[in-house]
Amino acid sequence: KAGVTQTPRYLIKTRGQQVTLSCSPISGHRSVSWYQQTPGQGLQFLFEYFSETQRNKGNFPGRFSGRQFSNSRSEMNVSTLELGDSALYLCASSPLPWETQYFGPGTRLLVL
Amino acid sequence: AQRVTQPEKLLSVFKGAPVELKCNYSYSGSPELFWYVQYSRQRLQLLLRHISRESIKGFTADLNKGETSFHLKKPFAQEEDSAMYYCALRGGNYGGSQGNLIFGKGTKLSVKP
Repeated sequence: KAGVTQTPRYLIKTRGQQVTLSCSPISGHRSVSWYQQTPGQGLQFLFEYFSETQRNKGNFPGRFSGRQFSNSRSEMNVSTLELGDSALYLCASSPLPWETQYFGPGTRLLVL
Repeated sequence: AQRVTQPEKLLSVFKGAPVELKCNYSYSGSPELFWYVQYSRQRLQLLLRHISRESIKGFTADLNKGETSFHLKKPFAQEEDSAMYYCALRGGNYGGSQGNLIFGKGTKLSVKP
């Protein structure tokens, strides 16, 4: 099976802009989670989706949002970008929420 | 509060030496514990989970509920073990659990020849 794919792999944006990141889970996986990775804070949970419903949300401001489609693909959106949003955004998929998560390569976002 | 602590940012050992990567957690219920590894320029991948009790690439980890620890061990380190290692926790019971993982800050293991 193909692994988790994320697009784009790299992004450069300026403060105030918005960005949309995409994640395609492993075929048959219905749960998708998003994480933010930064040198200072490490890996932090953003959201978890299962069957098109947000099941859980991390401690991030409302500028961070996401959704999941009927084919289990997921997108996350960050509005009004800030310099501190520069990070590697990781997507992980699993067959069900409580099963092993498999990670994508990440999207590296740089906010200038 | 749920928390995972990896006290060492960097651990440097020589090839053939034993390795122990420490992980302590804080969780009031019955957590599920994992070790993930990230080799250079590769994606994060599962190394092992406590419920499977497997030994992967010679690594083992035992959940010690009394000490709230899940240390990762290998008797003889190899150069190819050099990587970033993350301990992670997931809370709750199957079916009702929150799926998200809570990660430690990671330990960089460097195995010297």
